[in-house]
Amino acid sequence: ETGVTQTPRHLVMGMTNKKSLKCEQHLGHNAMYWYKQSAKKPLELMFVYNFKEQTENNSVPSRFSPECPNSSHLFLHLHTLQPEDSALYLCASSQVAGGLSYEQYFGPGTRLTVT
Amino acid sequence: ELKVEQNPLFLSMQEGKNYTIYCNYSTTSDRLYWYRQDPGKSLESLFVLLSNGAVKQEGRLMASLDTKARLSTLHITAAVHDLSATYFCAVDMRGSQGNLIFGKGTKLSVKP
Repeated sequence: ETGVTQTPRHLVMGMTNKKSLKCEQHLGHNAMYWYKQSAKKPLELMFVYNFKEQTENNSVPSRFSPECPNSSHLFLHLHTLQPEDSALYLCASSQVAGGLSYEQYFGPGTRLTVT
Repeated sequence: ELKVEQNPLFLSMQEGKNYTIYCNYSTTSDRLYWYRQDPGKSLESLFVLLSNGAVKQEGRLMASLDTKARLSTLHITAAVHDLSATYFCAVDMRGSQGNLIFGKGTKLSVKP
């Protein structure tokens, strides 16, 4: 595998389900990100992890729970979602040094539908 | 709060024509990125602009950055159908350690 991979690519879940999205980067980067992209809003940054530590949480509801066990893997745990959470969830990674991030590389995304 | 504005948001062009997409941002930034997204696909990095006056070109696309005006442009020369996609600019707020703020995107449609 190369670049940034995400699984599953498509997910349909009920509002009472619990599911997890997985992201893996094979680029040796030290930062990983979750974004939400929906038709109604531009690309929204949800969470940022630098060196496995969460450095950003952009007022994301608690029904989204990120986990970063190491610098190569990132999870987004989902529970009791709402239909408006249906969107494309994109994972990205980058190298961060000296307070600056180099370009972010994006995974193919998970298309989530909440019924 | 850093804001990034792109215009136009929708652009329909004829093949062979030239056009420019604009990206304005509201506060000091260290770098600016342009990404391309095809329908149903992820974002592909096109350009990274690191300093005032930076200009980068790849094929029919050329990007430039004016940090004093807080403006970046993406110029399309002699458009072809394959360029149809949504183009995003994103700004890395100084000291944010990777917190990119994206514009809303410009959906480009190139018609024969």
